[in-house]
Amino acid sequence: AQSVTQLDSQVPVFEEAPVELRCNYSSSVSVYLFWYVQYPNQGLQLLLKYLSGSTLVKGINGFEAEFNKSQTSFHLRKPSVHISDTAEYFCAVSVKAAGNKLTFGGGTRVLVKP
Amino acid sequence: GAGVSQSPSNKVTEKGKDVELRCDPISGHTALYWYRQSLGQGLEFLIYFQGNSAPDKSGLPSDRFSAERTGGSVSTLTIQRTQQEDSAVYLCASSLWASGSGDTQYFGPGTRLTVL
Repeated sequence: AQSVTQLDSQVPVFEEAPVELRCNYSSSVSVYLFWYVQYPNQGLQLLLKYLSGSTLVKGINGFEAEFNKSQTSFHLRKPSVHISDTAEYFCAVSVKAAGNKLTFGGGTRVLVKP
Repeated sequence: GAGVSQSPSNKVTEKGKDVELRCDPISGHTALYWYRQSLGQGLEFLIYFQGNSAPDKSGLPSDRFSAERTGGSVSTLTIQRTQQEDSAVYLCASSLWASGSGDTQYFGPGTRLTVL
């Protein structure tokens, strides 16, 4: 079975400051990795995903994430946040060649302060 | 184009009643998923459908939960004899494929179910 741990449940950050959201996963088989964002009262939206190749993945809205196989991590970063980045962020995995169902972490609430 | 739509957006029911939640996936998407988002359990996979294959029901929490997908499009999630612990937001998603290739899932806005 797979599991995903998001180490921070809440991250307060000032506008224009950088932010990093941590994600670690556990799996005995190869996985794909995803970051989704959920804005208040909205559904989930894909920020970025890692399938293969370059371990640095760039996504929408200036976010990027780096896959580290040895540390089983997939941390999300943004160099300068905006008020509009206030949302909940979910890290997720799916097992390669075994369907597409997602296993999610517990989520990290980001509150951007002016 | 139109995204994934779900209805109703909110549903309040009494304990013991049956409820049906509907999902309209993106046109042309062969895979459809149901997830549940609750305070206590976070985001959990429930069930997914891929084309004409048998659905993967491995995430359904009890036999009170069932789902069907008619004509490869619209899906209905049914919860029988609802319990208070069923209160959650039920999310539907669809993707072009579900072949284990990491295809992007597109989520609907969810149905918030409250069981009194």
